[in-house]
Amino acid sequence: QLQLQESGPGLVKPSETLSLTCAVSGGSVSSTSYYWGWIRQPPGKGLAWIGSIDHSGTTYQNPSLKSRVTISVDTSKNQFSLKLTSVTAADTAVYYCARHDPMTGESFHVWGQGTSVTVSS
Amino acid sequence: EIVLTQSPGTLSLSPGERATLSCRASQSVSSTYLAWYQQKPGQAPRLLIYGASSRATGIPARFSGSGSGTDFTLTISRLEPEDFAVYYCQQFGSLSWTFGQGTKVEIK
Repeated sequence: QLQLQESGPGLVKPSETLSLTCAVSGGSVSSTSYYWGWIRQPPGKGLAWIGSIDHSGTTYQNPSLKSRVTISVDTSKNQFSLKLTSVTAADTAVYYCARHDPMTGESFHVWGQGTSVTVSS
Repeated sequence: EIVLTQSPGTLSLSPGERATLSCRASQSVSSTYLAWYQQKPGQAPRLLIYGASSRATGIPARFSGSGSGTDFTLTISRLEPEDFAVYYCQQFGSLSWTFGQGTKVEIK
């Protein structure tokens, strides 16, 4: 059974870079069938797609965040990562990783439990 | 970018009642790429409906989705206590994914 687990610092200082990792178990990030994505949810607000990556390393980002977002895959560790630069308080959120599934119209079929990140000095 | 607008923002209903949630897109969305999620407090979202009308694995039959083009609907035929939650629609198109702002279904 596929499981995703986010990890990373819970507190990041303004202007610094937020770095998160999503460990994948029960499946492979190398699979040619799937995209792997990041979604965030500010406190008390809705869901926002950040970006996604496919097996070849091709990335797709939310235009509103594109200049600050880097997503990468590490096949040796079976994980993928998110880097968000120049963070501000507006980047405070719960960050989820998820797998898209082409069999379900590229919806986010499997989610991690989420990790809370606060941007504060 | 396609914007999804959900209505109402909050739906106050009693257990056993029918819930009808709307999701309207700023431009036409392929039904193949329209999904609905349920989120309870402190939990990750859960996929309910994909392809506008197909239930995900393990989702009860009281949940149904319909619609096409720019107007989509999630219906919960008879609300169970565990159905009180926030529901989001989501679309995929042009290698970009967007969510609606959510509808909260609360106990009246």
